[in-house]
Amino acid sequence: DSGVTQTPKHLITATGQRVTLRCSPRSGDLSVYWYQQSLDQGLQFLIQYYNGEERAKGNILERFSAQQFPDLHSELNLSSLELGDSALYFCASSVGAGGRSYGYTFGSGTRLTVV
Amino acid sequence: AQRVTQPEKLLSVFKGAPVELKCNYSYSGSPELFWYVQYSRQRLQLLLRHISRESIKGFTADLNKGETSFHLKKPFAQEEDSAMYYCALSGSSGNTPLVFGKGTRLSVIA
Repeated sequence: DSGVTQTPKHLITATGQRVTLRCSPRSGDLSVYWYQQSLDQGLQFLIQYYNGEERAKGNILERFSAQQFPDLHSELNLSSLELGDSALYFCASSVGAGGRSYGYTFGSGTRLTVV
Repeated sequence: AQRVTQPEKLLSVFKGAPVELKCNYSYSGSPELFWYVQYSRQRLQLLLRHISRESIKGFTADLNKGETSFHLKKPFAQEEDSAMYYCALSGSSGNTPLVFGKGTRLSVIA
């Protein structure tokens, strides 16, 4: 087990709905990163939190938001879902504020299907 | 700006043949480079870090700053090497998210 836990593993929902994806980082890691993986775009960075604060923002839509709680778990909220939001959403964690030297530990992902 | 380019979407090789997965980067500072592997749409796993100069599962990668490349190589491909491979870059500040290439799917044919 990598230490990063993501729930749920699979999610099927209808267009226009809202879902919440959850991530618990590896013990001791303070940073959480969210990535979206689709067939054509590869891994797209969405957002990073470090010790409860937003640290960096990538290609995250305004319909998407995230937060990191005091216990360091993070939630990614996706609203007004569209068919194109169907993808695999990965969470990763690292000890520091970036991936220097040690890289990231990834979770197993949440596969979101919007129908 | 940081950028990682993996020019091949798909690479097919025969079992026992040498493998080279290409990775080129664009970064003005001193980067750290990584290779990640993903089997059958599972989680990404760290394969190599250039700073550790290690060989994992027979794979090696050398950072060539002159050519801004970090190609992944293996002398003899095995069927279990079939997977998606991602090259990633960390900037010198250490405080920015990893930037990933779009990945190369390696298919090893028996």
